[in-house]
Amino acid sequence: GGIITQTPKFLIGQEGQKLTLKCQQNFNHDTMYWYRQDSGKGLRLIYYSITENDLQKGDLSEGYDASREKKSSFSLTVTSAQKNEMAVFLCASSLTANSDYTFGSGTRLLVI
Amino acid sequence: GEQVEQLPSILRVQEGSSASINCTYENSASNYFPWYKQEPGENPKLIIDIRSNMERKQTQGLIVLLDKKAKRFSLHITDTQPGDSAMYFCAASPSSGSWQLIFGSGTQLTVMP
Repeated sequence: GGIITQTPKFLIGQEGQKLTLKCQQNFNHDTMYWYRQDSGKGLRLIYYSITENDLQKGDLSEGYDASREKKSSFSLTVTSAQKNEMAVFLCASSLTANSDYTFGSGTRLLVI
Repeated sequence: GEQVEQLPSILRVQEGSSASINCTYENSASNYFPWYKQEPGENPKLIIDIRSNMERKQTQGLIVLLDKKAKRFSLHITDTQPGDSAMYFCAASPSSGSWQLIFGSGTQLTVMP
C-alpha cells in the first residue's frame, strides 16, 4: 500500500516568518491538495494541483504559495505567518476527478 | 465559493442507538458524495461514499442516503458503539468531473456508554 507523508508534524513559527510545509505521496496519484483545518470550520481548500507543475487556487489561497515540484510532492508556503495563528494543514491526494482523497497525518502550526 | 452545510455540529447519542448527520449542497451537477471519519490526532479517513446514480448505499452499519431533488445527503450509523465517537465530515464534488471536494464543517459525535 501507498503512503502520504507530511513534514514536519509540528511547526512553531514566529510572526512574519515564511514557513514551508512538505507533502510526499507514493500512490502515483495525479492530483494533490492542501487544506487548512480550523476548529469548528471544517476543511478549507488552499491550493490544489492536477498534475506536475500545475497549480490551482482554492478559496483560501491568499497568504499562501504552493509548488508541485514533481508528481509525488506538493509543498505549501505560509508567506507571512500571523501571530497566534493555530491550525492543522492537511495534504491529500486523489487518483482522478470525482474520487476519494487519501489524507496525510497533518502539520500542526503554531505561530508565537 | 460553493458550500456544503452539515448539521448538527455536535451529536451525543447513547450506545446502541442510531446517529444521523445531514448535509446539503448547492450545485445540482454535483455527483460524488464521500463521508470521512476523523479520530482525535488522526487524519480523516473515507468510510463510505455514494454517487449520484444511487439513492442508498449501505456497508457495515453505515447507511448513506442521497436525495438529488432536495440536494441533500445523510449518514446514518446504526447500533452506535463508543468506537464510533469521532469527527465526521461530509463532502461533495461541486460539479461533474471536478477535481476538488467541498467539505462540510463537521459533526462531533460522542457515543455514551
